[in-house]
Amino acid sequence: KAGVTQTPRYLIKTRGQQVTLSCSPISGHRSVSWYQQTPGQGLQFLFEYFSETQRNKGNFPGRFSGRQFSNSRSEMNVSTLELGDSALYLCASSPLRGPEQYFGPGTRLTVT
Amino acid sequence: AQSVSQHNHHVILSEAASLELGCNYSYGGTVNLFWYVQYPGQHLQLLLKYFSGDPLVKGIKGFEAEFIKSKFSFNLRKPSVQWSDTAEYFCAVNAAAGTYKYIFGTGTRLKVLA
Repeated sequence: KAGVTQTPRYLIKTRGQQVTLSCSPISGHRSVSWYQQTPGQGLQFLFEYFSETQRNKGNFPGRFSGRQFSNSRSEMNVSTLELGDSALYLCASSPLRGPEQYFGPGTRLTVT
Repeated sequence: AQSVSQHNHHVILSEAASLELGCNYSYGGTVNLFWYVQYPGQHLQLLLKYFSGDPLVKGIKGFEAEFIKSKFSFNLRKPSVQWSDTAEYFCAVNAAAGTYKYIFGTGTRLKVLA
């Protein structure tokens, strides 16, 4: 089975712009979670989707949003980018029968 | 609120030394516990997991972890490390009652000297 894929892998944006990141889960996985990884904070949970519904979210401002499509692919959007949004954004998918997560390679976002 | 603490941020060992990485969590209910590893330039990979049953769980590459409920701990161990174990290790917790929210520790960077 192909693993979790994320596009793009690298992105450079300017403050104030918005960005959309994409994630395709492992085939058959319907749960997709997003994380922000930074050197100082580690992995911070953003939100989790299952069957197009957001089931939980972390403590991030409303500028961070996401959605999931009927084919389980997910996107996250960050509006009005700030320098502090520079990070590695990770997507993970989970199988129906277990809570373990399988991670993608991440999208490295740099905000200048 | 749930939290996960990894006490060792950086660990340096020589090959063949024994490894123990600490992980403590704060949550009063039933939990699922995980250790993930991130090798240089690679994705996060699941090393091992605990859901229920035997508190001593074995994972890939000779790693094991022991869940001690009374101490809220899930420490990772390996009797003899190899240079290839150089990586960053993350402990994670998920409430088994289905909050679908995962809390990760800040990670431990392990460097194994050949």
